Amino acid sequence: GAGVSQSPSNKVTEKGKDVELRCDPISGHTALYWYRQSLGQGLEFLIYFQGNSAPDKSGLPSDRFSAERTGGSVSTLTIQRTQQEDSAVYLCASTKSTQETQYFGPGTRLLVL
Amino acid sequence: EDQVTQSPEALRLQEGESSSLNCSYTVSGLRGLFWYRQDPGKGPEFLFTLYSAGEEKEKERLKATLTKKESFLHITAPKPEDSATYLCAVQGSGAGSYQLTFGKGTKLSVIP
Repeated sequence: GAGVSQSPSNKVTEKGKDVELRCDPISGHTALYWYRQSLGQGLEFLIYFQGNSAPDKSGLPSDRFSAERTGGSVSTLTIQRTQQEDSAVYLCASTKSTQETQYFGPGTRLLVL
Repeated sequence: EDQVTQSPEALRLQEGESSSLNCSYTVSGLRGLFWYRQDPGKGPEFLFTLYSAGEEKEKERLKATLTKKESFLHITAPKPEDSATYLCAVQGSGAGSYQLTFGKGTKLSVIP
C-alpha cells in the first residue's frame, strides 16, 4: 500500500482482557516505531524495530506491553490484562532508516472499560 | 532529556488573519525538527523537516523557520481547511536518537 496501515481502527475492550494491535509499514521501510497518544498529552515513544529486532524496549510503560515484528514487515503490539489507563490512540510510523522522516499510520483508538 | 514546548495550546483565527505558532525545544544535538498536522481521528501528516538554524521551508500558506532554541510555523491568510492540530517534534543525536520527542500541539481553528 501507499502508506502505513493499522488495524483495527477502533477497539473497545473490558478491563483485564488482552488486545493485539497491528501495524503494516510502508513497503521497503525497515524501521518501525510505536507511539501512544493519550488525551491532552503529546505522543509518547514506546518501541522501535530495525528489521525484526527491537534494540530498545525501555519506552514500554509496563511489562504488560510487548511487541514483535516478523519478516521485517508487519508488527503487533500486545497489551495484556488491559487497564483503563491504557485507553489511548496507538500510532505506528515507519522509515527507510532511523535518520529519515517518520510517516504515521491512522492509529488504533483503544478504549478500556 | 529532549523537551518540546508548543504555544499557544489553542488559537482561533478569522479566515485571512495571519499568525504564528511557536515550538521551543531543548535537545542534545539536533538531528531534525519536524512539523506535522493532525486532523481529528487521524494520524499525524508530515509537513516539514528543518535541520539547522536559519533554515526555512514553505508549503502553500505555511512557512516553517528554525533558530537554535525555537521554531515557528507561520500561517499566511489561513483558510478554514487549515484548521487542525499542529505538532512539533525533535530528533536528537543522544541516546535514543531514533525516537521523536513531541510537544502537546497547537489546536488551530480558522473561522470563515
